[in-house]
Amino acid sequence: GENVEQHPSTLSVQEGDSAVIKCTYSDSASNYFPWYKQELGKGPQLIIDIRSNVGEKKDQRIAVTLNKTAKHFSLHITETQPEDSAVYFCAGPSNTGKLIFGQGTTLQVKP
Amino acid sequence: DSGVTQTPKHLITATGQRVTLRCSPRSGDLSVYWYQQSLDQGLQFLIQYYNGEERAKGNILERFSAQQFPDLHSELNLSSLELGDSALYFCASNVGQGPGNTIYFGEGSWLTVV
Repeated sequence: GENVEQHPSTLSVQEGDSAVIKCTYSDSASNYFPWYKQELGKGPQLIIDIRSNVGEKKDQRIAVTLNKTAKHFSLHITETQPEDSAVYFCAGPSNTGKLIFGQGTTLQVKP
Repeated sequence: DSGVTQTPKHLITATGQRVTLRCSPRSGDLSVYWYQQSLDQGLQFLIQYYNGEERAKGNILERFSAQQFPDLHSELNLSSLELGDSALYFCASNVGQGPGNTIYFGEGSWLTVV
């Protein structure tokens, strides 16, 4: 089937700490895994993505890891800042042409 | 600014009415996607068009329909509106035939059905 499970649904961290959000997927044909950040009243914005031919990708304080065997991928945010507070969505494409989103994680970074 | 333009930004209408949401994709993008986001809900895929043709279909109600025009802009038509249709409707676009490369989202159209 086509399903992307995302955990946790809410995450609260102190400024400067790290945050990790995990997603699992069921479609073994998936090969592209983007992460989106959605701020209040705005559309989702791509922050990082990874393809199945690599296991990890970094962009400054953000990194994504992918484990194809276990069918899970994770978003890591280091040295969190208050402006990182938002809703984060993982996603994966299905073999029927859809981009399936996780349920979202509300991240709160407390100053 | 993603380059995807959606109008209107806000819309309030009564039950039973019909509305049309409009989307202009990023310049050069051939695919348009429509998503629905209700309160406390994730992003539900409705439908995708590629270069004027329907490409993929999600959980789109029969009361809803969409099309993509020769100039690549798209419209989502919502009819016989119900209270439960109140949601944020997003349009997104990308250059490819499917979601295997970056999809850019617009700012959404807030629909309130009263």
